[in-house]
Amino acid sequence: RKEVEQDPGPFNVPEGATVAFNCTYSNSASQSFFWYRQDCRKEPKLLMSVYSSGNEDGRFTAQLNRASQYISLLIRDSKLSDSATYLCVVNTDDKLIFGTGTRLQVFP
Amino acid sequence: SQTIHQWPATLVQPVGSPLSLECTVEGTSNPNLYWYRQAAGRGLQLLFYSVGIGQISSEVPQNLSASRPQDRQFILSSKKLLLSDSGFYLCAWSVGAAYNSPLHFGNGTRLTVT
Repeated sequence: RKEVEQDPGPFNVPEGATVAFNCTYSNSASQSFFWYRQDCRKEPKLLMSVYSSGNEDGRFTAQLNRASQYISLLIRDSKLSDSATYLCVVNTDDKLIFGTGTRLQVFP
Repeated sequence: SQTIHQWPATLVQPVGSPLSLECTVEGTSNPNLYWYRQAAGRGLQLLFYSVGIGQISSEVPQNLSASRPQDRQFILSSKKLLLSDSGFYLCAWSVGAAYNSPLHFGNGTRLTVT
């Protein structure tokens, strides 16, 4: 089993739609969690950290479920500019493990 | 504020040639430093990380090496490149020994080995 698994997509959604991605991790001792965004041929950039109680940043909501070992990212009111690959990242033993990413394409 | 510089942005090298990629961080002390590689259509693979000067941990066996000659300088090297070394190389830093510290990436180096 991979340490961090994501559905590669692509998720094709219209502008204004709500879309959700899940990510599962294998190590129950994992300590912290992040979502990164990567545009084509660019470096990943931190989108948001994921806290145990769940957290929201504008249109973006992240949730953590330790019992089932997954994190989620919800994007509301999708914009064209949200089109990118979203990487799930898990910190275990002071190393960050990246998922292969979920590609989102928002169309007009 | 902290910044990370990585160069060159793109590189085309023949098989068997040497490699040296450099990364420097400004505005912070004793960062954790990392080298990742992203092959086309694949996820980021951690190659090396360092928690201090001269301290390098290697994650995967390969013909690459890393060095940290100064606190905020991280170098990725190879004596002889292979075709399979092609990819997008990313340097990153995080706050040293932090429990909940995200990574901050440089702009990356796109390496093509021909």
